[in-house]
Amino acid sequence: ETGVTQTPRHLVMGMTNKKSLKCEQHLGHNAMYWYKQSAKKPLELMFVYNFKEQTENNSVPSRFSPECPNSSHLFLHLHTLQPEDSALYLCASSQALGDNNSPLHFGNGTRLTVT
Amino acid sequence: AQTVTQSQPEMSVQEAETVTLSCTYDTSESDYYLFWYKQPPSRQMILVIRQEAYKQQNATENRFSVNFQKAAKSFSLKISDSQLGDAAMYFCAYRSPTRDDKIIFGKGTRLHILP
Repeated sequence: ETGVTQTPRHLVMGMTNKKSLKCEQHLGHNAMYWYKQSAKKPLELMFVYNFKEQTENNSVPSRFSPECPNSSHLFLHLHTLQPEDSALYLCASSQALGDNNSPLHFGNGTRLTVT
Repeated sequence: AQTVTQSQPEMSVQEAETVTLSCTYDTSESDYYLFWYKQPPSRQMILVIRQEAYKQQNATENRFSVNFQKAAKSFSLKISDSQLGDAAMYFCAYRSPTRDDKIIFGKGTRLHILP
């Protein structure tokens, strides 16, 4: 049990589909993150939510839409994706703002394949 | 903008030997946090060790230690008595103390342990 749970573990979708990735943390953290991990590239920070408010959006295409209904849940809504969006999507949580030594706790990721 | 560079895409070490993974970073901030994460084939990103920039003493966690050189902006990871279970991708990460809470990762170093 990692404390951060991501579902589904694998997802295959067509370019016209709409799907959502889910992340849930049981650690009492107040910040949650979406990262994209592609082969031979650094982890790319996509979205940051502190206290449920989005504080960072690294110019992510609008076909990715995050939602953070509370401090324990984070979603990534996907629509009209491209094949280059195929990657491992990692969710993480931590304590933020005043306790920045708090490390990230990661989920196991969702392996996304866009066909 | 902050950057993190890991110049060794892959490394190999004999079991029970010592290996050092390098990491350099670029920042204009005086206070920040540094981390090493491990990602085994299971995909779970696991915190290995962390360091606060304001602390001069190098962090140590059992067989893992860092050589933190603030002036040189260097943060290398030393693994002593390497074990087969240490085989993984290792990522160096920088965390900004500012409100946007950016956490930047390097491209990673794949470590092979030779029996």
